[in-house]
Amino acid sequence: DGGITQSPKYLFRKEGQNVTLSCEQNLNHDAMYWYRQDPGQGLRLIYYSQIVNDFQKGDIAEGYSVSREKKESFPLTVTSAQKNPTAFYLCASSIEGQGNTEAFFGQGTRLTVV
Amino acid sequence: KNQVEQSPQSLIILEGKNCTLQCNYTVSPFSNLRWYKQDTGRGPVSLTIMTFSENTKSNGRYTATLDADTKQSSLHITASQLSDSASYICVVRDTGRRALTFGSGTRLQVQP
Repeated sequence: DGGITQSPKYLFRKEGQNVTLSCEQNLNHDAMYWYRQDPGQGLRLIYYSQIVNDFQKGDIAEGYSVSREKKESFPLTVTSAQKNPTAFYLCASSIEGQGNTEAFFGQGTRLTVV
Repeated sequence: KNQVEQSPQSLIILEGKNCTLQCNYTVSPFSNLRWYKQDTGRGPVSLTIMTFSENTKSNGRYTATLDADTKQSSLHITASQLSDSASYICVVRDTGRRALTFGSGTRLQVQP
């Protein structure tokens, strides 16, 4: 089946540790995105990538890092510099270059700092 | 600053009843507006898209409207079902940065 897959579904991190969230898509989409969702707030853009080996900071990139070595994969690392990492993280992909294109979302990863 | 405001924040209705969710936006220049449904702990799924020239669009029991002059959209759900219980998110894209601005969503609970 075509789609976008995030793993793991739940992730627990100790303070001071880096963790990496996986996002894989087989939709042949050029663009991929990472969003953070907190209770009562809209999704906020962390990073996005429109093409392999290139990515741009979103609105809340501090404390996060990404890579885009393959078209299918866009992993997000939450570093120890992120002061409040507990949140629901959503990855999305879309066909870049078309204004009405739909963003397809993964099922999300819930990260909890313990 | 681009903003998307949704109301109400939460809503409880009885199964079989209708409801309307509101979305006001200040995104400019406007490209399109999408309504997404997000089940608890899952990723959002697109319900419908509205472009500048469209006033009304239906997808089954969901009907979206758009007034580009007043920058308002609504999502009307007819004959609600228990499975409609979810968050409904309004998302607006601008033509400049082609960025997406998300509303905080309306949490709908349908009770039997």
